[in-house]
Amino acid sequence: AQSVTQLGSHVSVSEGALVLLRCNYSSSVPPYLFWYVQYPNQGLQLLLKYTSAATLVKGINGFEAEFKKSETSFHLTKPSAHMSDAAEYFCAVTTNTDKLIFGTGTRLQVFP
Amino acid sequence: GAGVSQTPSNKVTEKGKYVELRCDPISGHTALYWYRQSLGQGPEFLIYFQGTGAADDSGLPNDRFFAVRPEGSVSTLKIQRTERGDSAVYLCASSSTSGGGTGELFFGEGSRLTVL
Repeated sequence: AQSVTQLGSHVSVSEGALVLLRCNYSSSVPPYLFWYVQYPNQGLQLLLKYTSAATLVKGINGFEAEFKKSETSFHLTKPSAHMSDAAEYFCAVTTNTDKLIFGTGTRLQVFP
Repeated sequence: GAGVSQTPSNKVTEKGKYVELRCDPISGHTALYWYRQSLGQGPEFLIYFQGTGAADDSGLPNDRFFAVRPEGSVSTLKIQRTERGDSAVYLCASSSTSGGGTGELFFGEGSRLTVL
């Protein structure tokens, strides 16, 4: 069975600071990994995905994530936070079983 | 519309009542998913359709929950004898492929169900 753990339900950063949202996964077979973002009053949308190609994945809005098998991690980063990045971020895993398993989410706050 | 549409956006009902939640996926998307998101939690898988058939319903919590997709497009999630614990946001997503692998799921804004 697969699972993801997101460390930190809330993360606060200043505008312009580094954003780091942590995700660790558990899977008995090579996983596919995703980050989704949920802005207030909007549906979840895909930020980026890892599907066994390049381990460093670039997504929308300047976000990127690196798949590290040795650490079973897929942390999300952005060099410089913007006010518009304030949202809830979800890490998810699947092994091509057509069922995404989501983490509990991390709420990102950005202060001016 | 261009995106996944869910109705109603909000539903308040009394314990024991029957509820239907509707999902209209992106045109042409063959795969459709239902998830449930409780407060402070991530989305929890309920059921997945490929075309008209339920390919995986392992996430339905009990037999009070049922979903259909009779023509391979619109889907309805049906909840009988609602309980207060059913209160959550019910999310629908669609995909042009079996999206859980390498594809992308497109989510609606959800239907917020409150059971009093």
